[in-house]
Amino acid sequence: ELKVEQNPLFLSMQEGKNYTIYCNYSTTSDRLYWYRQDPGKSLESLFVLLSNGAVKQEGRLMASLDTKARLSTLHITAAVHDLSATYFCAVVFDSNSGYALNFGKGTSLLVTP
Amino acid sequence: GAVVSQHPSWVICKSGTSVKIECRSLDFQATTMFWYRQFPKQSLMLMATSNEGSKATYEQGVEKDKFLINHASLTLSTLTVTSAHPEDSSFYICSARRHGGDTQYFGPGTRLTVL
Repeated sequence: ELKVEQNPLFLSMQEGKNYTIYCNYSTTSDRLYWYRQDPGKSLESLFVLLSNGAVKQEGRLMASLDTKARLSTLHITAAVHDLSATYFCAVVFDSNSGYALNFGKGTSLLVTP
Repeated sequence: GAVVSQHPSWVICKSGTSVKIECRSLDFQATTMFWYRQFPKQSLMLMATSNEGSKATYEQGVEKDKFLINHASLTLSTLTVTSAHPEDSSFYICSARRHGGDTQYFGPGTRLTVL
């Protein structure tokens, strides 16, 4: 069964703190994506990770991929309020399906003063 | 580049009516378009994959006679919710993939409320 599991599902953290969101997936994948969604809005692409050991950083967010462990992490450094949003990881399991995405349940992040 | 639009942004309709949602790739040709549905505070669930000029492939549990998908051109796909009911109320998001590419570009979403 194709599964994408994120944890935690809800996260409240103080400004300035660091935290990591985890994304596990059940079987071999071609690629993994991280998206951000603000309330009532569509998805904003953050990162695409294509190979084992891939690491990408943008501002206070850093994403990594371990294909052997089938695990991706999204690390938040020195959180600020503007990072409050829901973060989704998504996995392509079958390129032959046209690169259809399988989403995790999302992590709802709230950064408080 | 790679902008995807959806129309309408939101729609309210009566139970039993049909609603059409358009998804357009504005500055590229999309050989494949995807339709997702998102219920409040939940994840996105893939409904169907459509390739230009061919029938859509529906995910298990999605009624193809209820959710009609047409991908008549390389820049336009439509989703028609037929005989809508309150349980069809949801946020519908499309995405498009250009020919030869693997990145999906997401539209802004359409919020459907069925009374």
